[in-house]
Amino acid sequence: QKEVEQDPGPLSVPEGAIVSLNCTYSNSAFQYFMWYRQYSRKGPELLMYTYSSGNKEDGRFTAQVDKSSKYISLFIRDSQPSDSATYLCAMSRPSRGEKLTFGTGTRLTIIP
Amino acid sequence: NAGVMQNPRHLVRRRGQEARLRCSPMKGHSHVYWYRQLPEEGLKFMVYLQKENIIDESGMPKERFSAEFPKEGPSILRIQQVVRGDSAAYFCASSPPLWERENEQYFGPGTRLTVT
Repeated sequence: QKEVEQDPGPLSVPEGAIVSLNCTYSNSAFQYFMWYRQYSRKGPELLMYTYSSGNKEDGRFTAQVDKSSKYISLFIRDSQPSDSATYLCAMSRPSRGEKLTFGTGTRLTIIP
Repeated sequence: NAGVMQNPRHLVRRRGQEARLRCSPMKGHSHVYWYRQLPEEGLKFMVYLQKENIIDESGMPKERFSAEFPKEGPSILRIQQVVRGDSAAYFCASSPPLWERENEQYFGPGTRLTVT
């Protein structure tokens, strides 16, 4: 069993819709949770960074962490064609300088 | 404020040759991480370095792969005697001093290695 599971998609939604992306994990030691966006043949771009449980909002993006269920989510409101990319969840233990463990990524397409 | 820089962006090597991948961290960052991304797979951690020190190399293959981050200059990921299975995108990430932001890692554009 992988430490981090993420539905690879592909996921297609119409422009303006709310997008929900999710990951589950098995390692209860994970405390830092991140979402990266990766455009084709580019490097991952850090979108959201949260520590432990709770919600964090940044513009059209909201990250949620439910440690009791070992489940994290990223919501994108008012989705735009420019949001079309692969979204990677990542997480790490609280040790400083700890490596990131990634999900396989969900490929998202926003249809104009 | 320049981001993480990697070069070359694309590298083609024949089987048996050596590949050298370079990474310059963001200004003010002193921690470098290398990850590998195989087709249809997520990024896999390889090695974590600070200046002149390898901190965690638990993800590095035991043979042919090595990494360094000298006092001066970029971090280097070196792959000796490349094989076709080494074909992948190699990403470098850097993070700020650990007393600032706990574990935020910022990625470079990657080096796409093709072994023929």
